[in-house]
Amino acid sequence: NAGVTQTPKFRILKIGQSMTLQCTQDMNHNYMYWYRQDPGMGLKLIYYSVGAGITDKGEVPNGYNVSRSTTEDFPLRLELAAPSQTSVYFCASSPQQGSYEQYFGPGTRLTVT
Amino acid sequence: AQSVAQPEDQVNVAEGNPLTVKCTYSVSGNPYLFWYVQYPNRGLQFLLKYITGDNLVKGSYGFEAEFNKSQTSFHLKKPSALVSDSALYFCAVRPLYGNNRLAFGKGNQVVVIP
Repeated sequence: NAGVTQTPKFRILKIGQSMTLQCTQDMNHNYMYWYRQDPGMGLKLIYYSVGAGITDKGEVPNGYNVSRSTTEDFPLRLELAAPSQTSVYFCASSPQQGSYEQYFGPGTRLTVT
Repeated sequence: AQSVAQPEDQVNVAEGNPLTVKCTYSVSGNPYLFWYVQYPNRGLQFLLKYITGDNLVKGSYGFEAEFNKSQTSFHLKKPSALVSDSALYFCAVRPLYGNNRLAFGKGNQVVVIP
């Protein structure tokens, strides 16, 4: 049982390039989330999904897009990368809302130069 | 909207001494409260949660937390700290009813000194 997996682990992008951060979970969780973590700022929610075909914006969605075509996968797309998107990105999942804790992937460290 | 405050940037404690990491929250209605730990270059790991009932909740690795509704606090505690407890600790809150979003605090770095 792998839990939540993310690829790649590290990536360096040039300004204006695009990329997709991959996230897969094998726990059959309905809810999935994307966060970014910046030093001293905690985690900020970018997008989340309550099931296949349903996504919604979080606190900081600008510059990002998501899709959820299957229960397992929740990719995050960066279009026209900017230095402000330099961060560590975490994907998480939970069985449903409410009292259920979220399970986190190992993260992707992205640098935009 | 919900929010979490973790007032200290870093908590230093000697090995074997009690460890406390402070958290206060703001949320409409009753809260779900969580503590997570992050080791270097790793994702967050769940430690414990408060849903309802007993104000003292016990979690992984000997940690516990006390919910105090009047002070809107949810402090994390461990009676005897280990060097291996050195990590970044996050408090998080969401309301019982409403949106699906967890609000995280900025995190506290805990350093346990041998």
